[in-house]
Amino acid sequence: SQQGEEDPQALSIQEGENATMNCSYKTSINNLQWYRQNSGRGLVHLILIRSNEREKHSGRLRVTLDTSKKSSSLLITASRAADTASYFCATEGAYNTDKLIFGTGTRLQVFP
Amino acid sequence: DAGITQSPRHKVTETGTPVTLRCHQTENHRYMYWYRQDPGHGLRLIHYSYGVKDTDKGEVSDGYSVSRSKTEDFLLTLESATSSQTSVYFCAISESRSGEQYFGPGTRLTVT
Repeated sequence: SQQGEEDPQALSIQEGENATMNCSYKTSINNLQWYRQNSGRGLVHLILIRSNEREKHSGRLRVTLDTSKKSSSLLITASRAADTASYFCATEGAYNTDKLIFGTGTRLQVFP
Repeated sequence: DAGITQSPRHKVTETGTPVTLRCHQTENHRYMYWYRQDPGHGLRLIHYSYGVKDTDKGEVSDGYSVSRSKTEDFLLTLESATSSQTSVYFCAISESRSGEQYFGPGTRLTVT
């Protein structure tokens, strides 16, 4: 069963626009991670946010975490065509450590 | 994909035949994982290892076995392949229990 559910499933925007993806999960977590997957490739780690953190930044990426709502969002500012990929959230459960549970992903397409 | 290789990268096999996929790392990371990725399901954990000869089941372990006799190698075996095991298989490694995971390039397996 999926711990994380991303929303929307697909998103299309123009270069320069911001892209926001959301992730909801079901149980208490230790941390939440975001990954990117380009077509035909393995996943690449983007950012990790711990349960006691509310916001983290990395370059053009901004991640927020609301543990009371069991949700996280990933914001990509000033999107580029190279950001076209699928984005996945993954959670490490508070009582189910040693492994991550991945969501089904958001497919982002950025048009030049 | 640095430091992680998977072999073979593509394989077509017949129902009922045994198949072994290999994951090799050069990073000396303790944790290794096998996932399968299917449309609509995201990534699902099959088995993982937390040390040499230490393995545990994931979410979808039925029909799969694993072995880890050396730090650098993690083998996934399908004892008798079925069409439902047609998928893309990813290996991942992690230095720490709760840390980011690094993914291999994937193996596309087709069972006819």
